[in-house]
Amino acid sequence: EVTLLESGGGLVQPGGSLRLSCAVSGFTFSEYAMNWVRQPPGKGLEWVSVIDKSGGRTYYADSVKGRLTVSRDNSRNLLFLQIDSLRAEDTAVYYCAKPTEADYLLGALDSWGQGTLVTVSS
Amino acid sequence: EIILTQSPGTLSLSPGDRATLSCRASYNTGSSHFAWYQQKPGQRPRLLVYDSSRRATDTPDRFSGSRSGPDVSLTISALEPEDCAVYFCHQYGLTPWTFGQGTKVEIK
Repeated sequence: EVTLLESGGGLVQPGGSLRLSCAVSGFTFSEYAMNWVRQPPGKGLEWVSVIDKSGGRTYYADSVKGRLTVSRDNSRNLLFLQIDSLRAEDTAVYYCAKPTEADYLLGALDSWGQGTLVTVSS
Repeated sequence: EIILTQSPGTLSLSPGDRATLSCRASYNTGSSHFAWYQQKPGQRPRLLVYDSSRRATDTPDRFSGSRSGPDVSLTISALEPEDCAVYFCHQYGLTPWTFGQGTKVEIK
């Protein structure tokens, strides 16, 4: 069974930083690109970032470029999202998600974690 | 960036009705790929359809997807009470991937 479990969310002051983690099991992590998607409370989904299976290629939404860094540790089946210079508009549930197909950067997202809430407020 | 515009914002129908949800991409490209997700309150999104028309594992066959150029649609042939949810379209062919703003399906 595929499972993804995010952690690291919490209440942070504006300008602060957070590092989110996503622990995965049930599939060969090193064969899949991975995504982060966020959802502000009561609002829609916003794609944030994708990292290829090796970690060598990363892409970001324009709204977060320069403040977010995605990385992975294939030896420990872990995905990370470093968020710096946090703003109120970064308040959201952050999901990690796995694409349908191995080896390819692009793909629909067939498995999602339960999400971790990041709240940016003073 | 490809902007996805979903319509209608809310769909209120009765059990057994046919529901058609639309999603229009701001421009058409052969590199675009589209998916649909269902999200119920307090739950994570669930993939229903990918590559415009392929059902994901465990998606009931009353859900079907189609595409014509920049227009993508999700059809629910006969609504069930458990189909009450918000539905999001998603393009993942060109970075940045993007989502539509969602269509809420209400069951009368």
